Amino acid sequence: SYVLTQPPSVSVAPGQTARITCGGNNIGSKSVHWYQQKPGQAPVLVVYDDSDRPSGIPERFSGSNSGNTATLTISRVEAGDEADYYCQVWDSSSDHPRVFGTGTKVTVL
Amino acid sequence: QVQLVQSGAEVKKPGASVKVSCKASGYTFTSYYMHWVRQAPGQGLEWMGIINPSGGSTSYAQKFQGRVTMTRDTSTSTVYMELSSLRSEDTAVYYCARDRRLVVVAANIGFGPFDPWGQGTLVTVSS
Repeated sequence: SYVLTQPPSVSVAPGQTARITCGGNNIGSKSVHWYQQKPGQAPVLVVYDDSDRPSGIPERFSGSNSGNTATLTISRVEAGDEADYYCQVWDSSSDHPRVFGTGTKVTVL
Repeated sequence: QVQLVQSGAEVKKPGASVKVSCKASGYTFTSYYMHWVRQAPGQGLEWMGIINPSGGSTSYAQKFQGRVTMTRDTSTSTVYMELSSLRSEDTAVYYCARDRRLVVVAANIGFGPFDPWGQGTLVTVSS
């Protein structure tokens, strides 16, 4: 099955930039989606199709995808960005076609 | 606005079944696929399956084949997820989540991301 690997944690100071990676075999050929999940809440889509943002999501959230790594970038990090972040792709060869990454906890120092 | 409202928390004994509902509003119910995703305590997200609310066709993750059934009621814009033969490992929050792409678009270019999500339903399996 297709595996997506994320770093368990990322720490960043307020106002700085957080970068969360999502590694997968030739992930650059797939559309990557990113979700933010705060404690006790349902996930929220923050970036889809590699780099598009749903309405209402700040421009501080951006995405890129190339080769074997997709990246979610959070610019000018705020305390409210502290959350778990998951990447997700669709892989038709997997028995779990909708594959999620392992998740990254972003801590704002 | 698009909204998904799920049924309340459940406590079940091992071997029992649970049926979780997800009522949709704010859009044309039959125009978008609906997914089910679960999250065990302290763990990541796990996709369970998908239903086409228009015709009722379903596709389940292999892990849940034979134990999960997804249905819909178009008269109330509600989808259901029933999981049988429950075991302690099924203790989790279960989410419904709408596919962002229209069914007609997804049929051509593939499924989209999950947006939005229901608030989640905690299912606890304990003797």
